[in-house]
Amino acid sequence: SQTIHQWPATLVQPVGSPLSLECTVEGTSNPNLYWYRQAAGRGLQLLFYSVGIGQISSEVPQNLSASRPQDRQFILSSKKLLLSDSGFYLCAWTQTASGVYEQYFGPGTRLTVT
Amino acid sequence: KNQVEQSPQSLIILEGKNCTLQCNYTVSPFSNLRWYKQDTGRGPVSLTIMTFSENTKSNGRYTATLDADTKQSSLHITASQLSDSASYICVVSPRPWGTDKLIFGTGTRLQVFP
Repeated sequence: SQTIHQWPATLVQPVGSPLSLECTVEGTSNPNLYWYRQAAGRGLQLLFYSVGIGQISSEVPQNLSASRPQDRQFILSSKKLLLSDSGFYLCAWTQTASGVYEQYFGPGTRLTVT
Repeated sequence: KNQVEQSPQSLIILEGKNCTLQCNYTVSPFSNLRWYKQDTGRGPVSLTIMTFSENTKSNGRYTATLDADTKQSSLHITASQLSDSASYICVVSPRPWGTDKLIFGTGTRLQVFP
């Protein structure tokens, strides 16, 4: 069966520090991968998605970047964190089911920038 | 502008009672509508997915309905349990062949008390 992992689960970082969040998927190959951010009281915002190794699409201009060095690995990074980067970060992947793409989410990373 | 609006924002019910959550969307084109359950501090978990041709779909005590003409959906929870306490998110996909453009509602926070 497929599983998705994210780490760390929680992170507290000072403003201006770098960031690296990792997401890995097991049990599938060539998945579409996604990074979302969920701010308190707001809906999920798509940050990046990737359809293959080295292929990254950015949805919104921001202080973050993403990379996909391996088929089942997706990394979210920042060189210098801002207070506004605080939030709950979710990684997700998609699998086709009867022609409709089911989307599965990871457990999330709670990031607090102080 | 593509939007998904959910009501109420929050809801408190007693264990064993039924409840209905609402979702209105202004998304075009429309491919499918999903309901997710998100426990506090966790990633969302899919409850149902309905295409425009489906009017209702059940998953245990959860029953979702869809009226594609009025662009409304509802999620009915029967005989609520304490474990139903969570946020319920309505998500609309404009396209069937990918989920990179999912449109998320802000969710309804449900609290079930004994």
